[in-house]
Amino acid sequence: SQQGEEDPQALSIQEGENATMNCSYKTSINNLQWYRQNSGRGLVHLILIRSNEREKHSGRLRVTLDTSKKSSSLLITASRAADTASYFCAYRSGGYQKVTFGTGTKLQVIP
Amino acid sequence: KAGVTQTPRYLIKTRGQQVTLSCSPISGHRSVSWYQQTPGQGLQFLFEYFSETQRNKGNFPGRFSGRQFSNSRSEMNVSTLELGDSALYLCASSLRPVTGGMNTGELFFGEGSRLTVL
Repeated sequence: SQQGEEDPQALSIQEGENATMNCSYKTSINNLQWYRQNSGRGLVHLILIRSNEREKHSGRLRVTLDTSKKSSSLLITASRAADTASYFCAYRSGGYQKVTFGTGTKLQVIP
Repeated sequence: KAGVTQTPRYLIKTRGQQVTLSCSPISGHRSVSWYQQTPGQGLQFLFEYFSETQRNKGNFPGRFSGRQFSNSRSEMNVSTLELGDSALYLCASSLRPVTGGMNTGELFFGEGSRLTVL
């Protein structure tokens, strides 16, 4: 399967702590995106990092990309209960390739 | 600006029936892609339409089909429903095609259509 792997599958932390989730993929990519999904609802785009970038920030989010290891990580700092959701990485390799989503990390932030 | 609208939000069908789901993209977006989400298989790409043409198709049987109209609205159809087709079906719109090209931008998702097959 070409599906990306994410770990951990589930993560439970206290409010105020940082949450880190990782995504590994199998092909060369043009960019990698992170999405968030609240229970059973649509996905919301969080951040996009291009293959020639190593790190990107957006508010409390920090994304890194290591193309040599084919991996990316998403860090959420100072987590809030409202951050409770599932997080997915998504990427597309070159050419006419469909977008592929990772398996997702389910984050629970305890108030 | 209105978001992506999917209808119906919930539906229940029985095995052997068929179902049609609708997706209205964000105004100006010409790409609509469809995804199936299940607990076991996760998010799987079904197909993408851009300017009324199917650009790519995932690994799903021919019972799954779709189309796009001139106003960019899209429908997907599943015929001869099976129990395993129970899932959340998500559509997403974007300015540029999901498949092909370079530097594909973000996808804007609808809330999904939750299909239960009994």
